[in-house]
Amino acid sequence: QSALTQPPSASGSPGQSVTISCTGTSSDIGGYDYVSWYQQHPGKAPRLMIFAVSNRPSGVPGRFSASKSGNTASLTVSGLQAEDEADYYCSSFAGENNLLIFGGGTKLTVL
Amino acid sequence: QVQLQESGPGLMKPSETLFLTCAVSGYSISSGYHWGWIRQPPGKGLEWIGTIFYNGDTYYNPSLESRISISIDTSKNQFSLTLSSVTAADTAVYYCARSVIPATRINFASWGQGTLVTVSS
Repeated sequence: QSALTQPPSASGSPGQSVTISCTGTSSDIGGYDYVSWYQQHPGKAPRLMIFAVSNRPSGVPGRFSASKSGNTASLTVSGLQAEDEADYYCSSFAGENNLLIFGGGTKLTVL
Repeated sequence: QVQLQESGPGLMKPSETLFLTCAVSGYSISSGYHWGWIRQPPGKGLEWIGTIFYNGDTYYNPSLESRISISIDTSKNQFSLTLSSVTAADTAVYYCARSVIPATRINFASWGQGTLVTVSS
């Protein structure tokens, strides 16, 4: 099963909004509503930001939102803050045989 | 507040078998949730290794399935990963994690700090 496709980098100025895409296939993103997004700061463990396409775990700011259309999922960070600078990974359920696959990651830079 | 802590050998030689444990505190493993292992090679992305339910049901990444085994020890409140015949490609930070809600196998909200495993001759 191939990894999901993310742009290697994204950027925005403080206060702006930025959207990161994650493209898969009908066998993963397009076939199930089980897309998740993780934030990872250097040297730290990943942090779950979104699960089941658009649900935020407790403690995740409302500035983080996500959606899915067809085989592509998107994470939007509104009102960018310096602490949002991190790597972001998407993941998706990929059926009972493959279960879970990740994207290659997107480095978000706050200018 | 659940906490997870990985422990492992640090440095290994090719062809050896890796054994990692994840000690869980602040929550009893036997009470529920799915528990997973995820790894990250240096400078690269995340790779799901496998997940175990509190009742012992396991789910493995098919690309690793022939070499891995995940088990749970409720008496020690920990779960473990065994990876056989390691190569340099298995060099990575290995994370253990707990699912965000009990029923889900694939979303991990609580993570350990990770342990670096280096395979080198």
